[in-house]
Amino acid sequence: QVQVVQSGGGLVKPGGSLRLSCTVSGFSFSDNYMSWIRQAPGKGLEWVSYISNTATIIYYADSVKGRFTISRDNAGNSLFLQMNSLRVEDTAVYYCARDSGSYDHWGQGTLVTVSS
Amino acid sequence: DIVMTQSPDSLAVSLGERATINCKSSQSVLFSSNNKNYLAWYQQKPGQAPKLLINWASTRESGVPDRFSGSASGTDFTLTISSLQAEDVAVYYCQQYFDTPRTFGQGTKLEIK
Repeated sequence: QVQVVQSGGGLVKPGGSLRLSCTVSGFSFSDNYMSWIRQAPGKGLEWVSYISNTATIIYYADSVKGRFTISRDNAGNSLFLQMNSLRVEDTAVYYCARDSGSYDHWGQGTLVTVSS
Repeated sequence: DIVMTQSPDSLAVSLGERATINCKSSQSVLFSSNNKNYLAWYQQKPGQAPKLLINWASTRESGVPDRFSGSASGTDFTLTISSLQAEDVAVYYCQQYFDTPRTFGQGTKLEIK
């Protein structure tokens, strides 16, 4: 049974930092690309970043490039998103998901609120 | 970036009737070497993560009821629910994975009439 469990998130002031985590079980984490996708309140889905299984290929959306860093720990079956210089417009529910091009297994989502 | 445009933005359909949601990509998402469209459909219910329904434009995921189907014609894609059930009330998104950045349609909200 596949499980994707997220942690982290919360309330942070503009300019602050936050780290999201995602731990996977039920499939071979080290063989799979992973992505972060976000959804602002009442809005649609926006892809944020993906990382290849060996972390040699990494891409970011222009909206977060230079501020967010995706990483992974294959030994611990974990995915991370370090978010720095946060802006009000980064407020969203953040999801991690297995990336096969499409996204077939998702975490439960974690809310990040950037507000003064 | 490939822009995905869905229509309509919202849709109300009677129980048991057909629901049709459209998605148009700003450029082809067909990979010629395998003749596959890199297009997926998702269902999102309130307070839940999205659920993958269909990938490769027309391949249903395991466990997805067969009343859900997908089709493609050039850069136009369609998700059809053949006989709407109450549990199908949700927002539906298309997504292309032909190119980076991966992009989603804006969503179509499906309700019961």
